[in-house]
Amino acid sequence: DTAVSQTPKYLVTQMGNDKSIKCEQNLGHDTMYWYKQDSKKFLKIMFSYNNKELIINETVPNRFSPKSPDKAHLNLHINSLELGDSAVYFCASSATPAYGYTFGSGTRLTVV
Amino acid sequence: SQQGEEDPQALSIQEGENATMNCSYKTSINNLQWYRQNSGRGLVHLILIRSNEREKHSGRLRVTLDTSKKSSSLLITASRAADTASYFCATVPSNTDKLIFGTGTRLQVFP
Repeated sequence: DTAVSQTPKYLVTQMGNDKSIKCEQNLGHDTMYWYKQDSKKFLKIMFSYNNKELIINETVPNRFSPKSPDKAHLNLHINSLELGDSAVYFCASSATPAYGYTFGSGTRLTVV
Repeated sequence: SQQGEEDPQALSIQEGENATMNCSYKTSINNLQWYRQNSGRGLVHLILIRSNEREKHSGRLRVTLDTSKKSSSLLITASRAADTASYFCATVPSNTDKLIFGTGTRLQVFP
C-alpha cells in the first residue's frame, strides 16, 4: 500500500542509452512532480503535472520527457543518457500544488 | 539556483539534547515547509507554515518563521537517535507553485 512508488529503484546503464522511470501514486492527488537530487544532495524541481497537464517545466534538457497518462501516473523518459545525468530521481505528489508533498523512495540512476 | 540556505550544514548532538536548524531564503513566499530525509530514502514532509504564521508545533517539532528576516528555524526537542537524518527547508515563492529546496542540514544524534 505504498503511497508513491517508483520503479526501478536502481538503474545502471551505458551512455547513449534511453531509459524510463515510472511513478504511480494511490493517494488521489492531482499534482505530481519529478525532482533530481545530485551527489551533493541538492534537490531541483524538473517537472510538475496537475491533473495530466504540464504546469512546471524547468530548464531541463530536451532529452528528458515526462508523460502523464492519467493523474495517478507520471513517467520520466530520458534519451541519450549522459554521465551528468547520474543522480537520484524522486517522484512526488500533492493534493494541491506546492502543499505538503509525499515523495517516492527514489530511483538511483548511474550512467557509465 | 537554491532558494534557501541552511545553517549549520552539519550538526552532531547527544540524545536528549535539542537540535536547532536555521533556514534563510531570498524572496517573498506563500509558505515554508520542512522535510526529513533518512539516508537512501525519500523525503518525508514534517510541517508547513504559512507566510502569515509565526510559529507552529507538531509533537517534538517547533517551527518559527520571520518573514521580515526571510528566515525560519526548526527546533527538535529531546532528540533521539532515530532523528538522525538530513533536514531540508523548502519554500514556495509568492505567485508560483514551485517548491524549492534549501541545501539541507545533516543531523547526527548519538545515543
